[in-house]
This record gives sequence, C-alpha cells and structure tokens, in this order.
Amino acid sequence: GENVEQHPSTLSVQEGDSAVIKCTYSDSASNYFPWYKQELGKGPQLIIDIRSNVGEKKDQRIAVTLNKTAKHFSLHITETQPEDSAVYFCAASETGTASKLTFGTGTRLQVTL
Amino acid sequence: DVKVTQSSRYLVKRTGEKVFLECVQDMDHENMFWYRQDPGLGLRLIYFSYDVKMKEKGDIPEGYSVSREKKERFSLILESASTNQTSMYLCAIKGQDTQYFGPGTRLTVL
Repeated sequence: GENVEQHPSTLSVQEGDSAVIKCTYSDSASNYFPWYKQELGKGPQLIIDIRSNVGEKKDQRIAVTLNKTAKHFSLHITETQPEDSAVYFCAASETGTASKLTFGTGTRLQVTL
Repeated sequence: DVKVTQSSRYLVKRTGEKVFLECVQDMDHENMFWYRQDPGLGLRLIYFSYDVKMKEKGDIPEGYSVSREKKERFSLILESASTNQTSMYLCAIKGQDTQYFGPGTRLTVL
C-alpha cells in the first residue's frame, strides 16, 4: 500500500517569512495530492490539491509543487501570517470512486510575530 | 458548502462501555470514512463505506465496528471501550477525489 512521509514535524517561522513542508510517497500509481490545514479544535480543511498532470499549482500565498519522478511534493506558504499557524497534513491517493487517502503525520507550523 | 456533522464534540466514557459515534452528511455522497487522529501518527483509517450497508476495513479496524443503514449516516461503534481508544475521531465524506471532514469528536476513555 501507499506510504506517505512528511517533514518537518514542527516548523517555526517569523511573520512574513516563507514556510516549506515536504512529503514523499511510495506508490507510483498515486496521482492526487491534497493538503489539509487543521486549526485547533477543528477538523482538517482542504487548502489546495494537485493532480499528477501538473507540476505546480498556486492559490494566492499558497503553492504546491509535485515531482513525480522523485515521488515528492511540497507545500509553500509565502508571506506567512499568524493565522497560518496550524497543523498541516499532506495526503496521496489514486483517483476514482474506490480510492482512499493516505496521510502524512502532520507538520505543526507556528508563525511568530 | 459541504456539511459533515458529528454528534458530539467531546465525550467521556468508562472502560468497557459501548460507545456510538455518529456522523451525518447532507450531500448525498456514497463514500464515508472514519479516522482516528493521534499526535505524531497523523490520521489513520478505521473503516469506510461505499454505500448503504456496505463497509470495508481500513488500516486499524480492531476494536471497532461500523453501521450504515442510511446513506446520510455512518456510525462508528466501540463495542467495549478501552483506554487506548482515547483519541480524536474524525468522520469524512468523499466528493470526486477530495475528502471533507467533520469537526471531530474527542473521546476520553477512563
């Protein structure tokens, strides 16, 4: 089955700096890679996703890159703000009705003033 | 907007009790999932269901069972709660490829 590794487990950055979280996956059949943000006391919320037919996707201050050859994908947050402080999860799966997501172990991002 | 609701935000139970966690969706999606979340372990899949009365084991089904009698409702059952089942439990539904999560139930077993 799929195995997803995520690094770092904790990340502290100053407000305005960039943050990068990296994930690797093992199953070459995976072609869908979502990222979730989980704030304290809430369920994970999808913030961005990427499919294997593209190498990069951006949404305002958030971007995700995918390297299928190396089987790794990364989340980039620019101009970080205190409200970006949360736990972030990467995940991987094949597409299709029967697909299941495999999650990384999470990164706790702390944005300090 | 996708809405996934879970019956309780916080629950405290005693060892040996039978525990029911309820999840309800309003989007008519076939696929529903139960995860548990523990520090340093991420989200681990307990059970999932593709349709009414259908269920499939996830990665950690031991000690749990599920019920899906109606499309909109997916229940997680702890037959005899144990202290190692103290955790955050998350329900999710699946759109085309994306999963949408409920707010979670923090269960403490004493």
